[in-house]
Amino acid sequence: EPEVTQTPSHQVTQMGQEVILRCVPISNHLYFYWYRQILGQKVEFLVSFYNNEISEKSEIFDDQFSVERPDGSNFTLKIRSTKLEDSAMYFCASNEGRARISYGYTFGSGTRLTVV
Amino acid sequence: AQKVTQAQTEISVVEKEDVTLDCVYETRDTTYYLFWYKQPPSGELVFLIRRNSFDEQNEISGRYSWNFQKSTSSFNFTITASQVVDSAVYFCALSDGTYKYIFGTGTRLKVLA
Repeated sequence: EPEVTQTPSHQVTQMGQEVILRCVPISNHLYFYWYRQILGQKVEFLVSFYNNEISEKSEIFDDQFSVERPDGSNFTLKIRSTKLEDSAMYFCASNEGRARISYGYTFGSGTRLTVV
Repeated sequence: AQKVTQAQTEISVVEKEDVTLDCVYETRDTTYYLFWYKQPPSGELVFLIRRNSFDEQNEISGRYSWNFQKSTSSFNFTITASQVVDSAVYFCALSDGTYKYIFGTGTRLKVLA
């Protein structure tokens, strides 16, 4: 079964450093997402991306965050200057298309980001 | 505004007991979609079921069953004859068919041998 692949599975970074989380969505999917889960808390929507632009973003997704699809296969989340409170599990997800969004996403296995 | 409430923070049961996880949602939309995901200790999110607002039929899949009641805005999940491998955090989520899901806070299920 096709998978959404996220790398690395765990990343440790120093506060103030830039970090890039990488995702390879399923190849024929058109919609891409990032979600965040602070340890022990609920999964929160960050951003959705379609046709090379952001479709929707949450209040969490401030100017420190950016997303891009640099080469047609990878989908990245960049945090420019990490803060301690950015420590969380970050999930990437993808979906085939607008008519299929209601059928649900395929989530990646997540990247655990630890900011020290 | 949309909201999902999972009032049970943690439930412990003994193996082979039945257990029901509650999910109550709020939405003003007439068309919406509900989901359950399982998050095992390894951390990934595993899709369990999707239900749309027009289909109130209950569903059974093996030891899992779901009870969707629009009248009470609930979408509850029952595990019959629980097993230790069912131990995980279970999330209920709501979507209005646009881009994002609203997740509940999750219920941690511990099944004791």
